[in-house]
Amino acid sequence: QKEVEQDPGPLSVPEGAIVSLNCTYSNSAFQYFMWYRQYSRKGPELLMYTYSSGNKEDGRFTAQVDKSSKYISLFIRDSQPSDSATYLCAMSSDNYGQNFVFGPGTRLSVLP
Amino acid sequence: KAGVTQTPRYLIKTRGQQVTLSCSPISGHRSVSWYQQTPGQGLQFLFEYFSETQRNKGNFPGRFSGRQFSNSRSEMNVSTLELGDSALYLCASSLGGLRRTNTEAFFGQGTRLTVV
Repeated sequence: QKEVEQDPGPLSVPEGAIVSLNCTYSNSAFQYFMWYRQYSRKGPELLMYTYSSGNKEDGRFTAQVDKSSKYISLFIRDSQPSDSATYLCAMSSDNYGQNFVFGPGTRLSVLP
Repeated sequence: KAGVTQTPRYLIKTRGQQVTLSCSPISGHRSVSWYQQTPGQGLQFLFEYFSETQRNKGNFPGRFSGRQFSNSRSEMNVSTLELGDSALYLCASSLGGLRRTNTEAFFGQGTRLTVV
């Protein structure tokens, strides 16, 4: 079993739909949780960052962390074709370092 | 301000050769991390350098090494290349302080290495 699991998709939704992306993990030491978006042939870009459990909202994006269930989610409201990309969850237990453990990524297509 | 710059963007090498990749972090950032991305394994952490010292290391063989210079620029080297080393190599830079006050790691475009 991998340390971080993520539905690889691909996931196709119509424009305007609410998208739910999820990751599960096994390491209870993880306390920093991030979502990255990666367009084809580009490096990942940080979308959301959450420390410990709870919710965080930024525009059309909401990140949720449930440490008791070892489950994190990213919700995208009013999805746009420009949201079509691969979404990667990443986690870390390190207070200082940047040694993240990434999920395999979910490829999302938003159809106009 | 300029982003993370990785050079070269593309590289083709022969099995058994060695390769050096370069990463220039965002100005003022002192932490540089390297990742390998493949279709099969996804993004995997190689190592992190902070103030010219290796701070963290992933689970890769000793053929993979790196260093960081006083201006925070970093290089990674892969010796005795194998076909399985074909991948996108990404570097990320961050300020490098305590996680709770240093939340963002910015990635470069990556170097695509093909080993033939």
